[in-house]
Amino acid sequence: AQSVTQLDSQVPVFEEAPVELRCNYSSSVSVYLFWYVQYPNQGLQLLLKYLSGSTLVKGINGFEAEFNKSQTSFHLRKPSVHISDTAEYFCAVSGRTGGYQKVTFGIGTKLQVIP
Amino acid sequence: KAGVTQTPRYLIKTRGQQVTLSCSPISGHRSVSWYQQTPGQGLQFLFEYFSETQRNKGNFPGRFSGRQFSNSRSEMNVSTLELGDSALYLCASSLDASNNEQFFGPGTRLTVL
Repeated sequence: AQSVTQLDSQVPVFEEAPVELRCNYSSSVSVYLFWYVQYPNQGLQLLLKYLSGSTLVKGINGFEAEFNKSQTSFHLRKPSVHISDTAEYFCAVSGRTGGYQKVTFGIGTKLQVIP
Repeated sequence: KAGVTQTPRYLIKTRGQQVTLSCSPISGHRSVSWYQQTPGQGLQFLFEYFSETQRNKGNFPGRFSGRQFSNSRSEMNVSTLELGDSALYLCASSLDASNNEQFFGPGTRLTVL
């Protein structure tokens, strides 16, 4: 079985400050990792993904994440946030289970950027 | 390329009724997954279809069902609606069976009164 834990349900941060949204996963097989963002009344949009190769992954809107296999983590970071980054962020893991690729999402972290 | 479309965007039903939601994936995508999103529960996987076959199913009662057509469009049906079925239902499409990247539609907001 695979699971995803997003350790913070809400993260308030001042504009232009750095932010880190934490994600830990559990899986018995090798996985792919994703971060999605959801703005109000919209679907999810892919921010970045780790499939293989370099463990530091850069995504859209200045976000990046680092895959740490030993700590089974995939934390999302941005050096300087903007008001427009206020949204909900979801970490997801995709692993092969029962012959099929299965995607499991975390419960989400609400990022609130304070002016 | 047009994105994933879902219809209707909003729906209000009463308990006991049934509802059908529709999803049109990105052209060329053959895999469609459905999720239920509620506050505090995050995204719960409902089922996934690939080439008209259900490949995976989440832990939902049999009142929740779905299908996929030959053009990859998918529908999900919920019968005998309960208040707890109120949620945002999201559809995601991906190119193939690897699910390496899913593209989400805007969702259908279902309210059960």
